Amino acid sequence: DGGITQSPKYLFRKEGQNVTLSCEQNLNHDAMYWYRQDPGQGLRLIYYSQIVNDFQKGDIAEGYSVSREKKESFPLTVTSAQKNPTAFYLCASSLLLGVPTEAFFGQGTRLTVV
Amino acid sequence: GQQVMQIPQYQHVQEGEDFTTYCNSSTTLSNIQWYKQRPGGHPVFLIQLVKSGEVKKQKRLTFQFGEAKKNSSLHITATQTTDVGTYFCAGVNNAGNMLTFGGGTRLMVKP
Repeated sequence: DGGITQSPKYLFRKEGQNVTLSCEQNLNHDAMYWYRQDPGQGLRLIYYSQIVNDFQKGDIAEGYSVSREKKESFPLTVTSAQKNPTAFYLCASSLLLGVPTEAFFGQGTRLTVV
Repeated sequence: GQQVMQIPQYQHVQEGEDFTTYCNSSTTLSNIQWYKQRPGGHPVFLIQLVKSGEVKKQKRLTFQFGEAKKNSSLHITATQTTDVGTYFCAGVNNAGNMLTFGGGTRLMVKP
């Protein structure tokens, strides 16, 4: 089945630790995105990538890092520099051009700092 | 950079009442998309509008794209409890390489 997979679904982290969230897609999509969602709030863009080995900062990139070594994979690392990392993290992918250009979302990862 | 604003942020309605959410972009868009996120879930694509002035319907949902391709609306007729969730618009820039989400409108329906 084609789709986008995030893991793990729930993640607990101690303060001061880095943690990496996985995002894999087999849709052959060029663009991949990471969003952060706080309770009752909208989607805030952390990072996006339009092509392998290239990525751009979104609106709230501080304290996060990403890599795009493969087209299928776009992992997000939440570093200890992120002051308030507890949130719901959503990964998405889309075609860059052409129709449709809809974004497909993963199921999300709920990160809690304990 | 491109900004997409959405209003209202929250809306409480009685079941059977109508509901509308509005979306405005700071720049002209190539197309606009609408997504629905159920409580505890992830956003799911509903529809895409491409042409200036376009109107599309999905059962009780009516989507419009403005003439200037900078604004859009989603109207739900006679809401049901199954309509509960957050509705997001997302604009694609003219280069077709950037998707920007609005802040979403959270719809709550009282039975």
